[in-house]
Amino acid sequence: QVQLVQSGAEVKKPGASVKVSCKADAYTFTSSYIHWLRQAPGQGLEWMGIIKPSAGTTSYAQKFQGRVTMTRDTSTSIVYMELNSLRSQDTAVYYCAKEVVVGAMSWFDPWGQGTLVTVSS
Amino acid sequence: DIQMTQSPSSLSASVGDRVTITCRAGHPITNYLNWYQQKPGKAPKLLIYAASSLQSGVPSRFSGSGSGTDFTLTISSLQPEDIATYYCQQSYNTPYTFGQGTKLEI
Repeated sequence: QVQLVQSGAEVKKPGASVKVSCKADAYTFTSSYIHWLRQAPGQGLEWMGIIKPSAGTTSYAQKFQGRVTMTRDTSTSIVYMELNSLRSQDTAVYYCAKEVVVGAMSWFDPWGQGTLVTVSS
Repeated sequence: DIQMTQSPSSLSASVGDRVTITCRAGHPITNYLNWYQQKPGKAPKLLIYAASSLQSGVPSRFSGSGSGTDFTLTISSLQPEDIATYYCQQSYNTPYTFGQGTKLEI
Protein backbone atom coordinates (compact mmCIF):
# COMPACT_ATOMS: atom_id res chain seq x y z
CA GLN A 1 0.00 0.00 0.00
CA VAL A 2 0.99 3.64 -0.29
CA GLN A 3 3.52 4.47 2.38
CA LEU A 4 6.22 6.93 3.35
CA VAL A 5 9.30 5.57 5.11
CA GLN A 6 11.50 8.01 7.00
CA SER A 7 15.11 7.84 8.12
CA GLY A 8 16.14 7.04 11.66
CA ALA A 9 16.51 9.14 14.78
CA GLU A 10 19.19 11.81 14.97
CA VAL A 11 21.05 13.51 17.79
CA LYS A 12 22.61 16.86 16.96
CA LYS A 13 24.42 19.61 18.78
CA PRO A 14 23.14 23.18 18.82
CA GLY A 15 24.17 25.03 15.67
CA ALA A 16 24.42 21.88 13.58
CA SER A 17 22.20 20.79 10.68
CA VAL A 18 20.04 17.73 10.22
CA LYS A 19 18.77 16.12 7.03
CA VAL A 20 15.79 13.79 7.24
CA SER A 21 14.69 11.61 4.35
CA CYS A 22 11.28 10.34 3.35
CA LYS A 23 10.97 7.56 0.76
CA ALA A 24 7.74 7.21 -1.15
CA ASP A 25 6.52 3.71 -1.95
CA ALA A 26 3.71 2.18 -3.99
CA TYR A 27 2.59 5.27 -5.87
CA THR A 28 3.85 7.59 -8.59
CA PHE A 29 6.33 9.80 -6.76
CA THR A 30 5.80 12.86 -8.94
CA SER A 31 2.01 12.80 -8.72
CA SER A 32 1.57 14.19 -5.19
CA TYR A 33 2.94 17.00 -3.07
CA ILE A 34 4.81 16.08 0.11
CA HIS A 35 4.52 18.15 3.27
CA TRP A 36 6.80 18.29 6.29
CA LEU A 37 5.43 18.80 9.78
CA ARG A 38 6.85 18.51 13.26
CA GLN A 39 5.69 17.81 16.79
CA ALA A 40 7.68 18.89 19.83
CA PRO A 41 7.48 16.59 22.86
CA GLY A 42 4.00 16.70 24.35
CA GLN A 43 2.95 19.42 21.91
CA GLY A 44 0.73 19.77 18.86
CA LEU A 45 1.42 19.60 15.15
CA GLU A 46 3.22 22.34 13.22
CA TRP A 47 3.33 22.64 9.45
CA MET A 48 6.80 23.43 8.04
CA GLY A 49 6.41 23.45 4.29
CA ILE A 50 5.69 21.63 1.05
CA ILE A 51 7.58 20.30 -1.95
CA LYS A 52 6.26 19.43 -5.38
CA PRO A 53 8.30 16.36 -6.35
CA SER A 54 7.71 16.73 -10.09
CA ALA A 55 9.32 20.16 -10.29
CA GLY A 56 11.18 20.48 -7.01
CA THR A 57 9.38 23.71 -6.17
CA THR A 58 8.89 24.49 -2.53
CA SER A 59 6.99 26.73 -0.15
CA TYR A 60 7.99 27.16 3.47
CA ALA A 61 6.26 28.44 6.56
CA GLN A 62 7.54 31.90 7.38
CA LYS A 63 8.83 30.66 10.72
CA PHE A 64 11.33 28.38 8.96
CA GLN A 65 12.26 30.59 6.00
CA GLY A 66 16.02 30.77 5.65
CA ARG A 67 16.61 27.76 7.87
CA VAL A 68 14.87 24.90 6.05
CA THR A 69 15.50 23.37 2.66
CA MET A 70 13.34 20.70 1.06
CA THR A 71 14.67 18.76 -1.91
CA ARG A 72 13.86 15.61 -3.82
CA ASP A 73 15.56 12.87 -5.80
CA THR A 74 13.22 11.54 -8.46
CA SER A 75 15.52 8.60 -9.25
CA THR A 76 15.01 7.16 -5.77
CA SER A 77 11.58 8.64 -4.90
CA ILE A 78 13.02 10.32 -1.82
CA VAL A 79 12.33 13.77 -0.46
CA TYR A 80 14.63 15.44 2.04
CA MET A 81 14.15 18.08 4.70
CA GLU A 82 17.25 19.85 5.97
CA LEU A 83 17.05 22.17 8.96
CA ASN A 84 20.02 24.38 9.82
CA SER A 85 21.22 26.27 12.88
CA LEU A 86 19.53 23.82 15.19
CA ARG A 87 18.55 24.88 18.69
CA SER A 88 17.05 22.98 21.59
CA GLN A 89 13.56 24.15 20.60
CA ASP A 90 13.92 22.15 17.38
CA THR A 91 13.83 18.90 19.34
CA ALA A 92 10.78 17.19 17.87
CA VAL A 93 9.44 14.33 15.83
CA TYR A 94 9.50 15.32 12.18
CA TYR A 95 6.91 13.87 9.83
CA CYS A 96 6.49 13.80 6.10
CA ALA A 97 2.97 13.44 4.75
CA LYS A 98 1.52 12.92 1.29
CA GLU A 99 -1.07 15.39 0.16
CA VAL A 100 -4.30 14.04 -1.30
CA VAL A 101 -6.26 16.48 -3.45
CA VAL A 102 -9.85 16.09 -4.60
CA GLY A 103 -11.21 19.15 -6.31
CA ALA A 104 -10.23 22.08 -4.13
CA MET A 105 -9.96 19.98 -0.99
CA SER A 106 -6.75 18.50 0.37
CA TRP A 107 -5.60 16.47 3.33
CA PHE A 108 -2.60 14.51 4.57
CA ASP A 109 -2.63 10.77 3.97
CA PRO A 110 -0.58 8.79 4.70
CA TRP A 111 2.06 10.08 7.08
CA GLY A 112 5.56 8.76 7.52
CA GLN A 113 6.37 7.02 10.77
CA GLY A 114 8.21 10.07 12.10
CA THR A 115 11.86 10.85 12.82
CA LEU A 116 12.93 12.01 16.25
CA VAL A 117 15.51 14.78 16.11
CA THR A 118 17.10 15.61 19.45
CA VAL A 119 19.16 18.78 19.79
CA SER A 120 21.38 18.70 22.84
CA SER A 121 24.85 19.78 23.82
CA ASP B 1 -2.39 32.51 9.88
CA ILE B 2 -5.74 30.90 10.65
CA GLN B 3 -5.98 29.97 14.30
CA MET B 4 -7.73 26.71 15.12
CA THR B 5 -9.12 26.24 18.62
CA GLN B 6 -10.31 22.90 19.92
CA SER B 7 -12.37 22.18 22.98
CA PRO B 8 -12.09 20.54 25.33
CA SER B 9 -8.34 20.03 25.65
CA SER B 10 -8.97 16.76 27.43
CA LEU B 11 -11.98 14.58 27.94
CA SER B 12 -12.71 11.57 30.10
CA ALA B 13 -15.54 9.32 28.98
CA SER B 14 -16.81 5.77 29.37
CA VAL B 15 -17.09 2.96 26.86
CA GLY B 16 -20.33 3.39 24.95
CA ASP B 17 -20.55 7.14 25.53
CA ARG B 18 -21.27 9.61 22.77
CA VAL B 19 -18.31 11.98 22.55
CA THR B 20 -18.19 15.34 20.80
CA ILE B 21 -15.10 17.45 20.13
CA THR B 22 -15.38 21.00 18.84
CA CYS B 23 -13.05 22.92 16.56
CA ARG B 24 -13.39 26.62 15.81
CA ALA B 25 -11.55 28.45 13.03
CA GLY B 26 -10.45 32.06 13.43
CA HIS B 27 -11.56 32.78 9.87
CA PRO B 28 -14.30 31.16 7.75
CA ILE B 29 -12.89 28.10 5.98
CA THR B 30 -16.09 26.73 4.38
CA ASN B 31 -15.50 22.96 4.74
CA TYR B 32 -11.69 22.88 4.36
CA LEU B 33 -11.39 20.97 7.62
CA ASN B 34 -9.82 17.60 8.38
CA TRP B 35 -9.67 15.47 11.52
CA TYR B 36 -6.81 13.20 12.58
CA GLN B 37 -6.37 10.63 15.33
CA GLN B 38 -2.98 10.18 16.97
CA LYS B 39 -2.16 7.34 19.33
CA PRO B 40 0.89 7.55 21.61
CA GLY B 41 4.15 7.09 19.74
CA LYS B 42 2.40 6.90 16.37
CA ALA B 43 1.91 9.20 13.40
CA PRO B 44 -1.45 10.91 12.97
CA LYS B 45 -4.06 9.04 10.98
CA LEU B 46 -6.73 10.67 8.82
CA LEU B 47 -10.29 10.15 10.08
CA ILE B 48 -12.46 12.77 8.36
CA TYR B 49 -11.75 15.01 5.37
CA ALA B 50 -13.66 17.95 3.94
CA ALA B 51 -15.45 18.35 7.31
CA SER B 52 -17.78 15.38 6.97
CA SER B 53 -16.37 12.70 4.65
CA LEU B 54 -15.30 9.50 6.38
CA GLN B 55 -11.92 8.16 5.31
CA SER B 56 -12.02 4.63 3.92
CA GLY B 57 -11.53 2.03 6.63
CA VAL B 58 -12.49 4.32 9.50
CA PRO B 59 -15.33 2.93 11.66
CA SER B 60 -18.73 4.47 11.04
CA ARG B 61 -19.04 5.53 14.69
CA PHE B 62 -16.86 8.50 13.71
CA SER B 63 -18.57 11.43 12.02
CA GLY B 64 -17.82 15.07 11.30
CA SER B 65 -19.99 18.09 10.69
CA GLY B 66 -19.86 21.84 10.38
CA SER B 67 -19.04 24.61 7.96
CA GLY B 68 -17.66 28.11 8.09
CA THR B 69 -15.98 28.49 11.46
CA ASP B 70 -17.53 25.80 13.69
CA PHE B 71 -16.94 22.08 13.35
CA THR B 72 -17.49 18.94 15.40
CA LEU B 73 -16.11 15.44 15.51
CA THR B 74 -18.47 12.91 17.06
CA ILE B 75 -17.83 9.37 18.23
CA SER B 76 -21.26 7.78 18.55
CA SER B 77 -20.27 4.96 20.89
CA LEU B 78 -16.80 5.20 22.42
CA GLN B 79 -14.62 2.10 22.18
CA PRO B 80 -11.43 1.36 24.14
CA GLU B 81 -9.33 1.59 20.96
CA ASP B 82 -10.48 5.19 20.47
CA ILE B 83 -8.18 6.39 23.24
CA ALA B 84 -6.00 8.92 21.44
CA THR B 85 -5.47 12.60 20.82
CA TYR B 86 -7.60 14.16 18.11
CA TYR B 87 -6.58 17.13 15.97
CA CYS B 88 -8.46 19.31 13.54
CA GLN B 89 -6.58 20.92 10.64
CA GLN B 90 -7.55 23.61 8.16
CA SER B 91 -6.56 23.24 4.52
CA TYR B 92 -8.07 26.57 3.44
CA ASN B 93 -4.70 28.23 3.03
CA THR B 94 -1.06 27.96 4.01
CA PRO B 95 0.37 27.83 6.54
CA TYR B 96 -1.86 24.88 7.28
CA THR B 97 -2.70 24.99 10.96
CA PHE B 98 -3.94 22.54 13.56
CA GLY B 99 -5.95 22.74 16.70
CA GLN B 100 -4.02 22.14 19.91
CA GLY B 101 -5.50 18.66 20.24
CA THR B 102 -8.08 16.92 22.42
CA LYS B 103 -6.80 14.07 24.56
CA LEU B 104 -9.48 11.44 25.03
CA GLU B 105 -9.29 9.15 28.05
CA ILE B 106 -11.48 6.41 29.43
